[in-house]
Amino acid sequence: DTEVTQTPKHLVMGMTNKKSLKCEQHMGHRAMYWYKQKAKKPPELMFVYSYEKLSINESVPSRFSPECPNSSLLNLHLHALQPEDSALYLCASSQDLSGQREQYFGPGTRLTVT
Amino acid sequence: AQRVTQPEKLLSVFKGAPVELKCNYSYSGSPELFWYVQYSRQRLQLLLRHISRESIKGFTADLNKGETSFHLKKPFAQEEDSAMYYCALREAPGGYNKLIFGAGTRLAVHP
Repeated sequence: DTEVTQTPKHLVMGMTNKKSLKCEQHMGHRAMYWYKQKAKKPPELMFVYSYEKLSINESVPSRFSPECPNSSLLNLHLHALQPEDSALYLCASSQDLSGQREQYFGPGTRLTVT
Repeated sequence: AQRVTQPEKLLSVFKGAPVELKCNYSYSGSPELFWYVQYSRQRLQLLLRHISRESIKGFTADLNKGETSFHLKKPFAQEEDSAMYYCALREAPGGYNKLIFGAGTRLAVHP
């Protein structure tokens, strides 16, 4: 299995809702990432996990809360989002954080905040 | 700040024509650069990395430290090359694998 999967594909939520995005990989990768991609913009890094520990938080607002329950799963918990948070959320994984490790991307979850 | 600049939002060529997608970077350390590609309705995927000095799908890219460039080239474009291309710089603060993407260039190859 050489894919990163993400669920759901689409999500519409109100500003008072609580929802979660899920990401899974079974390639034995020990680094996992969350990116945010606004329309017609490049992906921007949000969080990096290495060996299930948070390594990088790119000053992301606390209404986004990542979680890495095990080496194969990465969640992004959402609460009290704003309409400007509407974007494509990409998950990626790599073997680890060293060298020129290729990052494998999932298809993304398209989030709309109403 | 480290930056990646792709000056062209759209590059439109005819099939068989040469293609060059420009990428310039600013980085205080030793750069590690990549090209990622996103075909229509497909996920973002690695095309090539500068350290490998390889040719993938006929594309090559040479790191020019003097000009701080990593342009992507192909001598004869094919229609299936139409996609969004992102140049990316790996920043490694404390050894972390952080990618900084350029704004992207959409390549449209016409028959």
